[in-house]
Amino acid sequence: GAVVSQHPSWVICKSGTSVKIECRSLDFQATTMFWYRQFPKQSLMLMATSNEGSKATYEQGVEKDKFLINHASLTLSTLTVTSAHPEDSSFYICSAIAQEGADTQYFGPGTRLTVL
Amino acid sequence: AQSVTQPDIHITVSEGASLELRCNYSYGATPYLFWYVQSPGQGLQLLLKYFSGDTLVQGIKGFEAEFKRSQSSFNLRKPSVHWSDAAEYFCAVGPGYGNKLVFGAGTILRVKS
Repeated sequence: GAVVSQHPSWVICKSGTSVKIECRSLDFQATTMFWYRQFPKQSLMLMATSNEGSKATYEQGVEKDKFLINHASLTLSTLTVTSAHPEDSSFYICSAIAQEGADTQYFGPGTRLTVL
Repeated sequence: AQSVTQPDIHITVSEGASLELRCNYSYGATPYLFWYVQSPGQGLQLLLKYFSGDTLVQGIKGFEAEFKRSQSSFNLRKPSVHWSDAAEYFCAVGPGYGNKLVFGAGTILRVKS
């Protein structure tokens, strides 16, 4: 149980284009989802917290207009990187908290974004 | 401010040897503590967690961790390491239900045969 998927697992795009990453909780309903960014050989940095049906809460220093987060249902959150640039290249990981027993985050497998 | 320190960036152990990964935290209240493991190019898998009660917690894959409040530590241990344990290990702390985690920098474990 508590499986989180992400799609795509990797994506390469041209500078200036937008990329959407999906995060799904497959076997539970997630009231809260988190989006993290991980640079090579570094730890996870929280970007934003997403609650179903409400606006995401962004961490300090994260551009809201660049990283659009939508949490339209209890099983799906999306992160859209708008007008991507090479410095946005990174490993993006989502996590989800179950509606019941919300004490543990379950992580997706991550999405590798490369912006050329 | 909340913080997690994993003093060892890399650790190399021989297969079959014991392992201890260190984690120290700074937190203003009773922390919820977690250990996650990440294989290359993968997401994070929960190994174990501590909220309250017995300070020695058992996790998956033969791992255990001990919470020591006086030392603000939550070290991860395994009696006998297997080659498949080679990965990166992250310690994390949080306030509990539904809240964000603060992660340590991670410790890369290498296992030599």
